[in-house]
Amino acid sequence: EAQVTQNPRYLITVTGKKLTVTCSQNMNHEYMSWYRQDPGLGLRQIYYSMNVEVTDKGDVPEGYKVSRKEKRNFPLILESPSPNQTSLYFCASRAGQGIGPNSPLHFGNGTRLTVT
Amino acid sequence: QKEVEQNSGPLSVPEGAIASLNCTYSDRGSQSFFWYRQYSGKSPELIMFIYSNGDKEDGRFTAQLNKASQYVSLLIRDSQPSDSATYLCAVNWGNKFYFGSGTKLNVKP
Repeated sequence: EAQVTQNPRYLITVTGKKLTVTCSQNMNHEYMSWYRQDPGLGLRQIYYSMNVEVTDKGDVPEGYKVSRKEKRNFPLILESPSPNQTSLYFCASRAGQGIGPNSPLHFGNGTRLTVT
Repeated sequence: QKEVEQNSGPLSVPEGAIASLNCTYSDRGSQSFFWYRQYSGKSPELIMFIYSNGDKEDGRFTAQLNKASQYVSLLIRDSQPSDSATYLCAVNWGNKFYFGSGTKLNVKP
């Protein structure tokens, strides 16, 4: 089954304790991206990757890191989490990387992060 | 800053009626437009995408795009209670996707 898999689904942590949220896709997609969703603000892009070893900032990258060492994996790293990073996080992927009309994003099931 | 605007709702329609959801976007350079449905606490699911001006129909759903007016809409015919969800409009600019904050739809039996 074609899918984007995120882990964990729920995570409660304390301020400053480094954490990683994993994301893996089995569709051989070039493009992968991370979003956070907060009430009233919609989905906001944190980072995206056009292909292996190619990453770029989205609109809200502060406090986050990513890496793309393999095509299928795109982990999100919070080096020193703070309470304002409490949110619902989604990983997404899509085929293709060029300009022009783009194929739709496929989303993972989400990770609900609480930082106390 | 690119903006995608949606009325937050809730939009309430009776079962069997047509639900009309609207979205405006700020940049004429956008190329791809998407509608996603999101149930509470779940991930967004793709409903439709549209690239060209005009209408695109898929079953009970019709997407309408007017690039001159920077406007995209979604019509849901014969609305069902199972259509009750938040509908997200998404717009693609270059390598980035921008989402509206969503319109909550309630379909009353």
